[in-house]
Amino acid sequence: NAGVMQNPRHLVRRRGQEARLRCSPMKGHSHVYWYRQLPEEGLKFMVYLQKENIIDESGMPKERFSAEFPKEGPSILRIQQVVRGDSAAYFCASSPGVGRSRHSYEQYFGPGTRLTVT
Amino acid sequence: QKEVEQNSGPLSVPEGAIASLNCTYSDRGSQSFFWYRQYSGKSPELIMFIYSNGDKEDGRFTAQLNKASQYVSLLIRDSQPSDSATYLCAVKVPLGSGYALNFGKGTSLLVTP
Repeated sequence: NAGVMQNPRHLVRRRGQEARLRCSPMKGHSHVYWYRQLPEEGLKFMVYLQKENIIDESGMPKERFSAEFPKEGPSILRIQQVVRGDSAAYFCASSPGVGRSRHSYEQYFGPGTRLTVT
Repeated sequence: QKEVEQNSGPLSVPEGAIASLNCTYSDRGSQSFFWYRQYSGKSPELIMFIYSNGDKEDGRFTAQLNKASQYVSLLIRDSQPSDSATYLCAVKVPLGSGYALNFGKGTSLLVTP
């Protein structure tokens, strides 16, 4: 049973370039969450998506950041015109959503993408 | 932004001792709480969740919740060097049919042989 997959694991971008981070949820999971962990900071929620829908993006910076979870394929977190302050670990988590099991709401994290902006 | 507070540590305990990790939260309406463990350079790993006041035990781990005091803790019995990691307390924030996790900054635990 494969876990949450993220790629690339490490990404280096120059200032002004675009970064695309991909996340494939666990099999059977329909809810995807993105979190960011800045150096010396805690994990911060960014966005919550279900297939073809952004449910909540209250944690997303207003500019340059976008996310999608298409009907087919992985969820994508896109950062345009990256700046040094975007350097962080970006984690994706997934959950099955509503269900009968008490574990339905647990979020399982992927290995993360470490973004370095030079 | 609702706050989740943890002592950053490091908390140092000798092997075999009990490690006690504490967390307070500001939103009195919070209902569900999670403890994650994160090794350096790795992703968070769920250890336990707790919804009801009192204690919940799972192996060497015990989570304690006191909603009146807005306090949740994690006890690790018979601590091992492999328990050395950062422990993250998180509070569930409902969002429609899902939820976000509001994390504290974590407590660094060091178990010395």
